[in-house]
Amino acid sequence: GQQLNQSPQSMFIQEGEDVSMNCTSSSIFNTWLWYKQDPGEGPVLLIALYKAGELTSNGRLTAQFGITRKDSFLNISASIPSDVGIYFCAGQWENNDMRFGAGTRLTVKP
Amino acid sequence: DSGVTQTPKHLITATGQRVTLRCSPRSGDLSVYWYQQSLDQGLQFLIQYYNGEERAKGNILERFSAQQFPDLHSELNLSSLELGDSALYFCASSVEGTGNEQYFGPGTRLTVT
Repeated sequence: GQQLNQSPQSMFIQEGEDVSMNCTSSSIFNTWLWYKQDPGEGPVLLIALYKAGELTSNGRLTAQFGITRKDSFLNISASIPSDVGIYFCAGQWENNDMRFGAGTRLTVKP
Repeated sequence: DSGVTQTPKHLITATGQRVTLRCSPRSGDLSVYWYQQSLDQGLQFLIQYYNGEERAKGNILERFSAQQFPDLHSELNLSSLELGDSALYFCASSVEGTGNEQYFGPGTRLTVT
């Protein structure tokens, strides 16, 4: 199925650094979502975005719903070791069908 | 712990066989979603049920089917299994049918040999 283009594929950063990742698509979505998945567990919802241009924060995480409705970014500020994991973006259409990005694998070095 | 339970945790079976994966949503959630996660295809939405009825369909093969029972638990049936069906299968649930606030279960790892 159609996938979202998520970048970067992986990131190796030092603790305390800020992180930015994004997703783009040729499709227009109603909702953008960002998930984090730890090894051996299911994805956990971090942020949900419902309107074009919307900027939402959840602690050190900030995400935006692109104006064109075809893209979104996630920023993590002042990274800590427990931020390690795989981050997925997902775009959802009005009929609830969803598409996921391939994920960004984040490694944080203490 | 998301409150979503899935059984079994691991399943190993042979090609051509049929298996059933089970999911119990969080208490009070009416919607159940099934996802497949594999190394080459990533995370893919398969199907959604809301209060017993099919609500949305994604990339679900014809060999796969699902249902949601009156007690709201759901089963995903995979038949005529192929090697490529080996993957993690996740169930998620949400209160409403819109599906935004989805809570994922721990997954069932299916290995087809």
